[in-house]
Amino acid sequence: DTGVSQDPRHKITKRGQNVTFRCDPISEHNRLYWYRQTLGQGPEFLTYFQNEAQLEKSRLLSDRFSAERPKGSFSTLEIQRTEQGDSAMYLCASSVGPRGAEQFFGPGTRLTVL
Amino acid sequence: GEDVEQSLFLSVREGDSSVINCTYTDSSSTYLYWYKQEPGAGLQLLTYIFSNMDMKQDQRLTVLLNKKDKHLSLRIADTQTGDSAIYFCAEVTWNTGNQFYFGTGTSLTVIP
Repeated sequence: DTGVSQDPRHKITKRGQNVTFRCDPISEHNRLYWYRQTLGQGPEFLTYFQNEAQLEKSRLLSDRFSAERPKGSFSTLEIQRTEQGDSAMYLCASSVGPRGAEQFFGPGTRLTVL
Repeated sequence: GEDVEQSLFLSVREGDSSVINCTYTDSSSTYLYWYKQEPGAGLQLLTYIFSNMDMKQDQRLTVLLNKKDKHLSLRIADTQTGDSAIYFCAEVTWNTGNQFYFGTGTSLTVIP
């Protein structure tokens, strides 16, 4: 396993469309995180899974956003009725071990909403 | 939420040392991390320091932590052009152990 992978790497969509991103964490990692990064900013936490359970959600995660990790392995992040303000890099990270342990990041999915 | 701040830009000559600074507000920090992000790439962990440490050295990298002033720095010795990237500090606290709070990032430019 070479690391966290994300698919697609780039997504261009029209406002109002739904999009779904996938993250495959490092295989033995039980913790999975989603972050959003806009230009000139650091990543902002969106949500966190431990195994298949979604344990934390940020206020940034509006009702249009939903994340799943059905079998405790890969995760999907869906954005419904996309808005131009959703344009950003969506980063996935995974970790194993105690709270605060190092997070390994994927390359991200860059979303552009026209 | 936690507030983590960094200066936006730093420019150094190749071979010189670089010092990237970070300040944070939450005194209950547990771990503080430094990540590097190159264009089009994900974040790569460089090093981290636990909050009960003052200093950590790892090859060309030296991390200094001043808990009293809530100040973290990353020194890169003998900076190379390949070090040009954006550097983020990140904080994890006792209260938010599953969330990393990132700074805005410092863009380091190394001049040949």
